[in-house]
Amino acid sequence: QVTLRESGPALVKPTQTLTLTCTFSGFSLSTSGMCVSWIRQPPGKALEWLALIDWDDDKYYSTSLKTRLTISKDTSKNQVVLTMTNMDPVDTATYYCARAVGGLPDDAFDIWGQGTMVTVSS
Amino acid sequence: QSVLTQPPSVSAAPGQKVTISCSGSSSNIGNNYVSWYQQLPGTAPKLLIYENNKRPSGIPDRFSGSKSGTSATLGITGLQTGDEADYYCGTWDSSLSAGGGVFGGGTKLTVL
Repeated sequence: QVTLRESGPALVKPTQTLTLTCTFSGFSLSTSGMCVSWIRQPPGKALEWLALIDWDDDKYYSTSLKTRLTISKDTSKNQVVLTMTNMDPVDTATYYCARAVGGLPDDAFDIWGQGTMVTVSS
Repeated sequence: QSVLTQPPSVSAAPGQKVTISCSGSSSNIGNNYVSWYQQLPGTAPKLLIYENNKRPSGIPDRFSGSKSGTSATLGITGLQTGDEADYYCGTWDSSLSAGGGVFGGGTKLTVL
């Protein structure tokens, strides 16, 4: 059974750096074709794709946020980490990690974590 | 403003059929697979359709997907009250200005 679970702080202050961890099971990110993405959703708003890392350690970032984002993986721990610098109240959202299989950028996200709510406030 | 355009809301009676459109461009839908997700209130999105028209195991055939040019459509037949949810289309955008994963603004389905 494939599962993903997000973890991180529920509250961060403006200008701080957010670090989120996605811990997964049921697959290996060293297996060809496996990818993990981060996606967020502000309250009452639409989904927004943030970043993707694949089995070959290739990384892709949202054009509008790429200067603030870093995605990395620890294959031995089955974890993917996302850092977002210079947090602002507009970054308040539920942050999801999701798996994609196939190795192509347009592969669908077949399994999602439950999400973790992050509030940015002083 | 989302890269992909969806109607904000659609509605239909139980048992009826509804379609949800997703409009894009050649840099996204026109040259990439489209997927569709269902998000029930307070839950994470769930994959409904991948590669334009394929259903994952466990998704009933009441749900269907299609793509033509730079637009895609999700169809739901035999509507049930449990289908009330937000629906999102998604794909990849290859343009320099919006490169990366993209989603539509979401469509809220109301089953009257």
